[in-house]
Amino acid sequence: QQQVKQSPQSLIVQKGGISIINCAYENTAFDYFPWYQQFPGKGPALLIAIRPDVSEKKEGRFTISFNKSAKQFSLHIMDSQPGDSATYFCAATKAAGNKLTFGGGTRVLVKP
Amino acid sequence: ETGVTQSPTHLIKTRGQQVTLRCSSQSGHNTVSWYQQALGQGPQFIFQYYREEENGRGNFPPRFSGLQFPNYSSELNVNALELDDSALYLCASSPGASPSYEQYFGPGTRLTVT
Repeated sequence: QQQVKQSPQSLIVQKGGISIINCAYENTAFDYFPWYQQFPGKGPALLIAIRPDVSEKKEGRFTISFNKSAKQFSLHIMDSQPGDSATYFCAATKAAGNKLTFGGGTRVLVKP
Repeated sequence: ETGVTQSPTHLIKTRGQQVTLRCSSQSGHNTVSWYQQALGQGPQFIFQYYREEENGRGNFPPRFSGLQFPNYSSELNVNALELDDSALYLCASSPGASPSYEQYFGPGTRLTVT
């Protein structure tokens, strides 16, 4: 059972454009939602995370929007740069157990 | 501050063999989790260790086992390797006196089973 569904699988955006990645979850016990960035041959790097008590969190060019009632959250990458070309994973976890449940990933290509 | 390190970087094994992968957690981190990432997919949770005890396990068979040592480093052992075990194995460590939300990943070990 895929508890976190991520879309799209891939996207291409022009330099300076906005990349938007969406995730939906099923388990209402999840209470922490991180996004990870992964470059080829590397491990995932924690990018930004949100708790369900806030609807938006911004760090630099990266913004998470969270809709608790819809059980959805999204990552916006503003002013996308070629260096942002990577695979992005959303994830979710709950306090007990602490295992991360990942989405399937979105491969982002930023064209110069 | 040293990040999470893993060894070896790459490994090629034959079906039926056994393999041990190693992880050194980030300084001050006492929780280690292991994940399997198949090509083109998101990481899947294998198990977690907290203060040398297993603290949760995902949907993986018993031939996947682990250890955590007093210095919080960890090993993942896989017996009777199968072709489907070919994947990137990731170790992640978490800070604090008790398990926390944030997990920091190492670069992974690429295992190929032929």
